[in-house]
Amino acid sequence: EVQLVESGGGLVKPGGSLRLSCAASGFTFSNAWMNWVRQAPGKGLEWVGRIKSKTDGGTTDYAAPVKGRFTMSRDDSEDTLYLQMNSLKTDDTAVYFCTTFLGLHPYWGQGTLVTVSS
Amino acid sequence: DILMTQSPDSLAVSLGERATINCKSSQSVLSSSNNKNYLTWYQQKPGQPPKVLIYWASTRESGVPDRFSGSGSGTDFTLTISSLQAEDVAVYYCHQFYSIPHTFGQGTRLEIK
Repeated sequence: EVQLVESGGGLVKPGGSLRLSCAASGFTFSNAWMNWVRQAPGKGLEWVGRIKSKTDGGTTDYAAPVKGRFTMSRDDSEDTLYLQMNSLKTDDTAVYFCTTFLGLHPYWGQGTLVTVSS
Repeated sequence: DILMTQSPDSLAVSLGERATINCKSSQSVLSSSNNKNYLTWYQQKPGQPPKVLIYWASTRESGVPDRFSGSGSGTDFTLTISSLQAEDVAVYYCHQFYSIPHTFGQGTRLEIK
């Protein structure tokens, strides 16, 4: 069974940093392209970024609002995806979901809440 | 960026009646290499992550009731609930993952009339 479990959310002050993790199981993580998607309270879904598999170059792409502040990385030996978030703003307050597509079928985690507030 | 526009923004339907939600993309999300539409429909209830209903635009997810169906190709897509049940009250999103940045429709809130 495919499982994606996010962790690392919490309360952080504006300008601060936080690192999210997503532990994957039930599939060959090293072959998967992984995404982060977020949802601000009461709002819609917003794609944050994607990291390709290392065999496909391991490159990253980011949404404009987070580019230059957020960095995605992966540890294929631990089957874990990361999102390093720096220079956080109040607008970054959201539930952050880890997602992937396997055979074009989407899978989502349960999400982790990040609150940016003074 | 591919803009995903859902209509309507909200919808109230009587129990047992049909509900139809539309999603239009500003560019085609149909891949010529595999003839698949990179389009997913989600249902989201308060406090829960999005739940996959339909993928490849028209393939129902395992365990999803057959009153849910998806149709369309290219730029125009429809999610249909053939006979609305009380548990279908939720927000519904379409999502394209054909190109970066992946984009979502704004959501359609479905309520009971």
